[in-house]
Amino acid sequence: QIALKESGPTLVRPTQTLTLTCNFSGFSLNTEGAGVAWIRQPPGKALEWLALIYWDDDKRYSPSLKSRLTITKDTSKNQVVLTMTNMDPVDTATYYCAHDVRLVRYFHHWGQGTLVTVSS
Amino acid sequence: DIQMTQSPSTLSASVGDRVTITCRASESISIYLAWYQQKPGKAPKLLINKASRLEGGVPSRFSGSGSGTQFTLTISGLQPDDFATYYCQQYNSYAITFGQGTRLEIK
Repeated sequence: QIALKESGPTLVRPTQTLTLTCNFSGFSLNTEGAGVAWIRQPPGKALEWLALIYWDDDKRYSPSLKSRLTITKDTSKNQVVLTMTNMDPVDTATYYCAHDVRLVRYFHHWGQGTLVTVSS
Repeated sequence: DIQMTQSPSTLSASVGDRVTITCRASESISIYLAWYQQKPGKAPKLLINKASRLEGGVPSRFSGSGSGTQFTLTISGLQPDDFATYYCQQYNSYAITFGQGTRLEIK
């Protein structure tokens, strides 16, 4: 059974760096084709894809946020980490991690999400 | 980026109705479109991939169609559990984008 769970701070100050961790089970990022993405959703608004990392360490970023994002994986820990620099109140959102089963770029499995508020 | 535009933004319907949600891409995405259902406070659930391929366990009253720039999600015979927000997502390129969502509410 595949499961993902996001963790990280609930409150971040403006200009700070956000670090979020996705812990997953039921699949391995050593498996060819497997990937994990980060997607966010501001309160009451639409989904926005942020970043994606694959089993071979191929990394893809949203063009509009690329300069602020870094995605990494720790295969031994079954973890994917997203860092986002220079946080702003407009970055307040629920952040989800999600599983790309086999290089398809859509997402069968999602975490429950974690709400991050950016405020001074 | 490829822009995805959904219409309508809100749709009011009754149990048993047939409803259609449209998703338009700013450029051709072939059939690389997925549909998700999201309920309040929950993560999205994948319904359809490749524009028309129903995911396992998704009721057959859901169907998708389209190619290129115009796509539709149809729900035939609305059930109480179907009232939710629906998003399309293009994956023709690695710059993945979602539509703005269509909220399906009870009339």
